[in-house]
Amino acid sequence: DVKVTQSSRYLVKRTGEKVFLECVQDMDHENMFWYRQDPGLGLRLIYFSYDVKMKEKGDIPEGYSVSREKKERFSLILESASTNQTSMYLCASSLAGGVWTGELFFGEGSRLTVL
Amino acid sequence: AQTVTQSQPEMSVQEAETVTLSCTYDTSENNYYLFWYKQPPSRQMILVIRQEAYKQQNATENRFSVNFQKAAKSFSLKISDSQLGDTAMYFCAFMTLNYGGATNKLIFGTGTLLAVQP
Repeated sequence: DVKVTQSSRYLVKRTGEKVFLECVQDMDHENMFWYRQDPGLGLRLIYFSYDVKMKEKGDIPEGYSVSREKKERFSLILESASTNQTSMYLCASSLAGGVWTGELFFGEGSRLTVL
Repeated sequence: AQTVTQSQPEMSVQEAETVTLSCTYDTSENNYYLFWYKQPPSRQMILVIRQEAYKQQNATENRFSVNFQKAAKSFSLKISDSQLGDTAMYFCAFMTLNYGGATNKLIFGTGTLLAVQP
């Protein structure tokens, strides 16, 4: 069974704290993604990575950074958490390039609350 | 820019009945994929069904089928013989086909929360 694992299901942080969200996939996928899910807004892409050490901005990258030092691991970093970053964060992975037909494999999500 | 619109924030259906979820999209591209993803409560999102725009035949996966109207840019999901396990948030999504090698990205709608009632 394919598996995408997000390190924390629930986190509570204070404004200004640095937050790390970790994601690991065991499918040897080239692509990894971080989405943010908010009611009424659907899923919005924050960042994605198509290879180790490679990253591209998605639609809402402000306030976030990412790291991909190993193929299986993709981290989302909130340098200084703010209350408007309270949300559900979803990690996903997929095959690459021409063989990919759009199927994303998602983790269970990390619900972050910033106080 | 491509957009995906789901106009039904919530829907309800009785067990064993049929329900249709609506989705419209806007694009100037001719080659693309459309998807329905399912997110059960507190569980991972999974792909339900996929439709290639160049295929005229509507995709079907067991009790799930789509009505793809390319000219109208409409892509609805029909769930037949609804089951309690179908209770979930359903997202419509769109992806253009990029043959140049760049990573394609999915654009998601805002979701429809479906409740199947016993």
